[in-house]
Amino acid sequence: DVKVTQSSRYLVKRTGEKVFLECVQDMDHENMFWYRQDPGLGLRLIYFSYDVKMKEKGDIPEGYSVSREKKERFSLILESASTNQTSMYLCASSPPGGPGTEAFFGQGTRLTVV
Amino acid sequence: LAKTTQPISMDSYEGQEVNITCSHNNIATNDYITWYQQFPSQGPRFIIQGYKTKVTNEVASLFIPADRKSSTLSLPRVSLSDTAVYYCLVVDTGRRALTFGSGTRLQVQP
Repeated sequence: DVKVTQSSRYLVKRTGEKVFLECVQDMDHENMFWYRQDPGLGLRLIYFSYDVKMKEKGDIPEGYSVSREKKERFSLILESASTNQTSMYLCASSPPGGPGTEAFFGQGTRLTVV
Repeated sequence: LAKTTQPISMDSYEGQEVNITCSHNNIATNDYITWYQQFPSQGPRFIIQGYKTKVTNEVASLFIPADRKSSTLSLPRVSLSDTAVYYCLVVDTGRRALTFGSGTRLQVQP
């Protein structure tokens, strides 16, 4: 089974802290994604990466950055956490794009910024 | 990007067939229609994908009319465990990322 593992299920951080959310996948997938999910807004794409050291902005990249130094690991960085970044963060991976490919999601990290 | 519209919520009873319709008027020729399911406190899970006509797997069926401007996810004989949020996506094969809408919250009652 494909496994996408997020390092924490719950995190509480203070405003202004630098926050790292880590994601690891074990299926050698090229594509990796970070989404945030908020009530009533569904999932919104923050960043994605289709290769090591490659990244593309999603729909809401402001306040975030990412790092992909190894194929299996994709990190989301909140440079200076703010209360409006309190949310559920979901990581996903998928093989190269095309018909029939599917994305596999992690369990999510619920981040609270106080 | 083709935008999707689906009902915010639906209610059903155990044993009934549930049909969730999604409209995607601006779907492009190369786009595929994909459905995901999400349980509380979990990430979404792929259910089914199709291009046109009908696709069936062990979980659901997907009906797509000839104009492809809408699609219907059909869940046969739902159980309480089918209570979840269902997302309809139009997958742009020229873009690697998936764009999710707000989904349909299905509540199955006994």
